[in-house]
Amino acid sequence: TQLLEQSPQFLSIQEGENLTVYCNSSSVFSSLQWYRQEPGEGPVLLVTVVTGGEVKKLKRLTFQFGDARKDSSLHITAAQTGDTGLYLCAGEVLRWAGNNRKLIWGLGTSLAVNP
Amino acid sequence: KAGVTQTPRYLIKTRGQQVTLSCSPISGHRSVSWYQQTPGQGLQFLFEYFSETQRNKGNFPGRFSGRQFSNSRSEMNVSTLELGDSALYLCASSVPTGNMNYGYTFGSGTRLTVV
Repeated sequence: TQLLEQSPQFLSIQEGENLTVYCNSSSVFSSLQWYRQEPGEGPVLLVTVVTGGEVKKLKRLTFQFGDARKDSSLHITAAQTGDTGLYLCAGEVLRWAGNNRKLIWGLGTSLAVNP
Repeated sequence: KAGVTQTPRYLIKTRGQQVTLSCSPISGHRSVSWYQQTPGQGLQFLFEYFSETQRNKGNFPGRFSGRQFSNSRSEMNVSTLELGDSALYLCASSVPTGNMNYGYTFGSGTRLTVV
């Protein structure tokens, strides 16, 4: 069974603090996507990383794909209340069971940024 | 550019009934995927359609079915509803590029409650 573990599961911090969430697997992914989801809404794509060791920045968010393409991290600098939400990672596996591709989803990190 | 539209947003059904959910993808997106999201299980893949053909299927019972029309709009149907089917059902569209999925655009979901 292919799993994608996210940690921590829950995180509550004060505005202005930094944080890192992790996404780990024993599987190698062709790409890895990060999403943020607010209550009652669908996930919104933040970034897709493709190359091992790749680092992408989106304002205060920094995403890194592991060299072996098995893990990823999301670092938020100076968190704001608007960063509150569920952060999900999803890794794409190619050539699963004869089909083109499959996305493996983590259970998410629920982040609360308090004023 | 209109996003992914799911209807209805909320639905309350009784055990044993059936339900049909609708999804209109972003114009030009031919791939539509359906997911079930619950707090304990996270995002569970139901099926993916591409050009009116089911391309991938998750591990759900036959009570869950779907289809895609020539205009890429998709519907999913759940028959003989059970209490455990209560969940947020999400539709996502994407533009597959070769064997790579660069990310989904999700709709806001349909919140189904079975009583």
